[in-house]
Amino acid sequence: DGGITQSPKYLFRKEGQNVTLSCEQNLNHDAMYWYRQDPGQGLRLIYYSQIVNDFQKGDIAEGYSVSREKKESFPLTVTSAQKNPTAFYLCASGRASATGELFFGEGSRLTVL
Amino acid sequence: DQQVKQNSPSLSVQEGRISILNCDYTNSMFDYFLWYKKYPAEGPTFLISISSIKDKNEDGRFTVFLNKSAKHLSLHIVPSQPGDSAVYFCAASVRGQNFVFGPGTRLSVLP
Repeated sequence: DGGITQSPKYLFRKEGQNVTLSCEQNLNHDAMYWYRQDPGQGLRLIYYSQIVNDFQKGDIAEGYSVSREKKESFPLTVTSAQKNPTAFYLCASGRASATGELFFGEGSRLTVL
Repeated sequence: DQQVKQNSPSLSVQEGRISILNCDYTNSMFDYFLWYKKYPAEGPTFLISISSIKDKNEDGRFTVFLNKSAKHLSLHIVPSQPGDSAVYFCAASVRGQNFVFGPGTRLSVLP
């Protein structure tokens, strides 16, 4: 089945620890995105990548890092520098065309204790 | 400053009636608009889209209207069903890049 897989679905972390969220897609999409959702807010863009080995900061990139070594994979690291990391994180991919929708994974909920 | 706004945080509609969800945007460069539906603890799923060269797009019970001069779009669901109860996000992009999402509207369809 084609789709986007995020893992883990739930993650708990102590303050001061880095944590990496996995995102894998087998849709052969060029573009991949990471969004963050907080209660009562829309999806805010953290990082995106239009092509392998290249990525761009979104609106709220501070405290996060990404890599895009393979077309299928776009892991997100939430570093200890992120001041308020508890949130629901969504990964998406798309065809990077002018009229194409984004396909989302099921999300990862990170809770910092 | 939000580029995509959904001013109604919530909406309740009786089953069988029409649901109208509204979205406003400020960036005149946006040329592609999408609606997503989201259930709790799940990723959003794509519903319907519209390009700026059109003013209406229809798919079954879902119709999206675009008014470029007013920078406004709306999603109509007719007839509304209890399974439509979810959060609906409006999104906009410029040439399919860097999608910007609104804050969402929670729709409740009452039986």
